[in-house]
Parts: sequence; structure tokens; C-alpha cells
Amino acid sequence: QQQVKQSPQSLIVQKGGISIINCAYENTAFDYFPWYQQFPGKGPALLIAIRPDVSEKKEGRFTISFNKSAKQFSLHIMDSQPGDSATYFCAATSLLSGSARQLTFGSGTQLTVLP
Amino acid sequence: DAGVTQSPTHLIKTRGQHVTLRCSPISGHKSVSWYQQVLGQGPQFIFQYYEKEERGRGNFPDRFSARQFPNYSSELNVNALLLGDSALYLCASSLGPGNEQYFGPGTRLTVT
Repeated sequence: QQQVKQSPQSLIVQKGGISIINCAYENTAFDYFPWYQQFPGKGPALLIAIRPDVSEKKEGRFTISFNKSAKQFSLHIMDSQPGDSATYFCAATSLLSGSARQLTFGSGTQLTVLP
Repeated sequence: DAGVTQSPTHLIKTRGQHVTLRCSPISGHKSVSWYQQVLGQGPQFIFQYYEKEERGRGNFPDRFSARQFPNYSSELNVNALLLGDSALYLCASSLGPGNEQYFGPGTRLTVT
């Protein structure tokens, strides 16, 4: 049961271009939306995250746009670089019990930035 | 500071066997979560432990079990291995069960 839908599956961008990855969710219990970057042979690394009461968050070249009413959020990578080539996962957290939280991941987007 | 460490890096097992995977959290982190990442997919939540108690469990069969030790390290055990258990098993640690999770490099399990 995929609760976070991510697209596209793969993305090829020229160096200096903008990379855009989209995610959508149905579960209104999700209350925190992080993005992870994963290089081959490595675990996912937290890139940037947003709470649903904020419509946009920017950190350097990375920006999350969040549309609560549409239950959609996206990652924009400005001035994409070959070093950004990796797999990107959107995720959402929900409460398990007490203060415990569960991460639910999208299916991933393999980004290739051409030099 | 050392990040999350996992051992072993790679493991090859035969169907029906048992496997134990180990995780050491970042110093000061008291919560550990386990995820299964099948090739080409996003990680799927298996367990979360905090202060040696299970705080949450994903949709995995009872063949999967885990525990957390007094030093906050953790083990994931899988019994009666199936071919479909072949995956990258990720451990993530956090200060507490509701805090940011930081992932280790994973253990690549291959079941033949």
C-alpha cells in the first residue's frame, strides 16, 4: 500500500537546469514531510524538510513547495550539478504511539545531471 | 562524530536460514528504527525501538523481530528466510522516537 506517490521515476537534467520531483499523499495524518538523498551503496541522507503549515522552504539550491489543500509537495533543485546525481525520496511522517513517528517513503526518483 | 554504523555490510544466506543484523546508533541517540529497502523502491518501516521498548511495527510478518540493548544498539532478526527477504536493511537512529532520523549505510542481504 503506497501512501506517498512520487514522480517521475527517473529524471535527466542538464547541468545548470532545474530538477523538479513531485509527491502526493492521501493520509491527512501525515504531519512532517522530509526529502532524502541516497547515493549508491549509502543510506538515505536528510536533505530538507517541511511542516504542512508552511507553503515553501528554501535551503541553498533546494526548495520544497507544499500545497496542503491538494495534498501535494515537490522538491526543486536549482542550478543542478552532476554531483546532485542520486536517488531522491520524498517521505512523510505519522504518529505511531506516544511520541513515536513512522516514516513512509515514496518510490524514489533517480536523477541524472548531465555535465 | 561517528554516524550510524551497521554490520555486516553484506550477507549471503540460504532460504530457511536465520539472520541477525546489527546497528549502533549515533552517540546520544536513544531511538532506533529499522527499514527494508528492496531494489528500486523506497525504504519500508519495520520497527522502532526506544529505551529498549518496541514503539511501533510495520506490516511485516512475525519472522521479523528486533531488540534494543541498554547501550541503545539494536539487532534485527529474520527467521525462515525467503527469497523475497533479499534487500538492503537500513537502521536509523534519532534522539527520541519523534525526532529526525539519521540512516546508516545498510546491510545488503541476499537470500539464495
